[in-house]
Amino acid sequence: EDQVTQSPEALRLQEGESSSLNCSYTVSGLRGLFWYRQDPGKGPEFLFTLYSAGEEKEKERLKATLTKKESFLHITAPKPEDSATYLCAVQAGNTDKLIFGTGTRLQVFP
Amino acid sequence: EPEVTQTPSHQVTQMGQEVILRCVPISNHLYFYWYRQILGQKVEFLVSFYNNEISEKSEIFDDQFSVERPDGSNFTLKIRSTKLEDSAMYFCARGTTTGRREQFFGPGTRLTVL
Repeated sequence: EDQVTQSPEALRLQEGESSSLNCSYTVSGLRGLFWYRQDPGKGPEFLFTLYSAGEEKEKERLKATLTKKESFLHITAPKPEDSATYLCAVQAGNTDKLIFGTGTRLQVFP
Repeated sequence: EPEVTQTPSHQVTQMGQEVILRCVPISNHLYFYWYRQILGQKVEFLVSFYNNEISEKSEIFDDQFSVERPDGSNFTLKIRSTKLEDSAMYFCARGTTTGRREQFFGPGTRLTVL
């Protein structure tokens, strides 16, 4: 069964304190791995798509990387406005559906 | 690319009642999806809809659920006889115009079943 596991469940950072979020996956035939940001009561906001091991994508203070077993979302010098839940999802096999992890709730304090 | 809008933003209903949740694409897309998120839980796939037909559905999407695109624009999710456990955020998502990878989510409808 395809599975996505995210860690840690929650992360508290001081403003400027860099860290990484992990997404490990077990799927048959990865088609894509996706990172989303979700604010409370809102829909997931698309951040990145990664298709193959070794691929990296960057956007402002965020950088996503992918290996054959996991993906990392690196946050460099975070700001309070980066506080949100970060969701990882995979697409596998010949299906379009996204399989989500439970997310990492990030809090950045000034 | 613009996302989708969803109405209503919050729906309160009595158990056993029918509800219709609406998704309005900003432009003409072919791929649509419904997901739900029970409070504190992960986002779960319900159904995918391509070119006015269901292309895939999950185990959650039983006979109580249906989807359609009645006027070629709005995309609806109907729950025929709501249960307490249907209380959740329901998200509509659209695919891209160029393929079936990224999905862009709407703001969601919060459904509360009493």
